[in-house]
Amino acid sequence: QQPVQSPQAVILREGEDAVINCSSSKALYSVHWYRQKHGEAPVFLMILLKGGEQKGHEKISASFNEKKQQSSLYLTASQLSYSGTYFCGTEGTSGSRLTFGEGTQLTVNP
Amino acid sequence: NAGVTQTPKFRILKIGQSMTLQCTQDMNHNYMYWYRQDPGMGLKLIYYSVGAGITDKGEVPNGYNVSRSTTEDFPLRLELAAPSQTSVYFCASSYGSPNEKLFFGSGTQLSVL
Repeated sequence: QQPVQSPQAVILREGEDAVINCSSSKALYSVHWYRQKHGEAPVFLMILLKGGEQKGHEKISASFNEKKQQSSLYLTASQLSYSGTYFCGTEGTSGSRLTFGEGTQLTVNP
Repeated sequence: NAGVTQTPKFRILKIGQSMTLQCTQDMNHNYMYWYRQDPGMGLKLIYYSVGAGITDKGEVPNGYNVSRSTTEDFPLRLELAAPSQTSVYFCASSYGSPNEKLFFGSGTQLSVL
C-alpha cells in the first residue's frame, strides 16, 4: 500500500519551518526520504529504521514512530535550496521493495 | 565517477513501436531498479534485479521486460508502446538490500503518440 503524504504542497518564506508527514496503513520496517528538484532525479536525504530514531541532515531532520506507522520530516529555517518535491518511501518488512508516496511540493520564496 | 547513467534522455515513440532504455552503473552495486514517474505523481517500481541473471516484477510490470546479464547493465525494453507508457523513467541502484540508499540516474522522458 502506498504511503500517504501530507500536506500535498506547502509554500514558505525563507527562514520559516515546515513539517511533512508520511503515514502508512501497515507496519513499517524503514522509511526513506528523498528530495527531487524540478526536472532532476530524486536525491537521497535519509533512512530511518524502526526503533523511533531521529536523524538529521543539515537543518533537515526526521522522526519515525513505528507504533503510529508514520514518519515526519522537519525542515528548519528553510533555505531557497530546499525547494522541491519531497518523497517518502516505505519498506514494510526487511528486504521488501520500497513503496513511494505521491510527494509533497515545497516552495521556498525569498 | 559516473554513478548511474541512462540513455536516451528524451524519446518520442509512435504507438506500437518498441525501444530499449539503457541503464549502466559503475559502482559495483548488486541491486538495480526501474521506476516510472507520471506527472505530479510518485515513483512506481516496474522491475528490479538483485544481481546478474536475477530479475523480478515490481508494481507495474505490464508492457515491459528487463534483463541483467552483467552487474553493470540493466536495460528496460518496451514492446508495443502505448500512450499509457508516456512517463519519465528512472533507473536506480543500491549496493545491498533495498533499505539502503538509492542512487538514481538522470531519467528518460518518454512520450508515446
